[in-house]
Amino acid sequence: AQTVTQSQPEMSVQEAETVTLSCTYDTSESDYYLFWYKQPPSRQMILVIRQEAYKQQNATENRFSVNFQKAAKSFSLKISDSQLGDAAMYFCAYRRRGGSEKLVFGKGTKLTVNP
Amino acid sequence: DAGVIQSPRHEVTEMGQEVTLRCKPISGHNSLFWYRQTMMRGLELLIYFNNNVPIDDSGMPEDRFSAKMPNASFSTLKIQPSEPRDSAVYFCASRSRGVNEQFFGPGTRLTVL
Repeated sequence: AQTVTQSQPEMSVQEAETVTLSCTYDTSESDYYLFWYKQPPSRQMILVIRQEAYKQQNATENRFSVNFQKAAKSFSLKISDSQLGDAAMYFCAYRRRGGSEKLVFGKGTKLTVNP
Repeated sequence: DAGVIQSPRHEVTEMGQEVTLRCKPISGHNSLFWYRQTMMRGLELLIYFNNNVPIDDSGMPEDRFSAKMPNASFSTLKIQPSEPRDSAVYFCASRSRGVNEQFFGPGTRLTVL
């Protein structure tokens, strides 16, 4: 079974600084998708960024970028120029390509942004 | 675009009562997912439907839980009888064919006393 591990229950960053959230996963599949979701206090789950495993290029969305290391099964999220609105729970998620569409989530990292 | 709609947003009930959670997916989406979020277990898939047909219900905890999707625009998750350990936030999500992203609703916070 696939598993996703987020080893940092909590992280903090100063406003305007950069922070990296870690995620590792375990799978025997070669083709899959990885996601980072943000959950602010409103509880709404918001997709931040996604990565297809067959793409070697790391995904980037404005201030958010990932470091995808397929061999190491690592998928970290970098947030640049952190803003107060970035404060939230961040969840890493995995989905295999083809077959079950189930998203497997990590336990999450709570990010605090200090002014 | 109204997004995924869930009702109610909050539900407080007593142990033994029947609870029904409702979800309206985004129009045109053909996959619908029910997730449960708890502090202990995090976010877990309970069941998902493709074209109104249940595909994977391996996450449904026990027979007290049931889900239906009578048409493309409506799904229910029912717990009967409810127990305190069912207290959680229940999310519904939907996805369009050919798109990787699942769009989540705002969730229903269920408290069983």
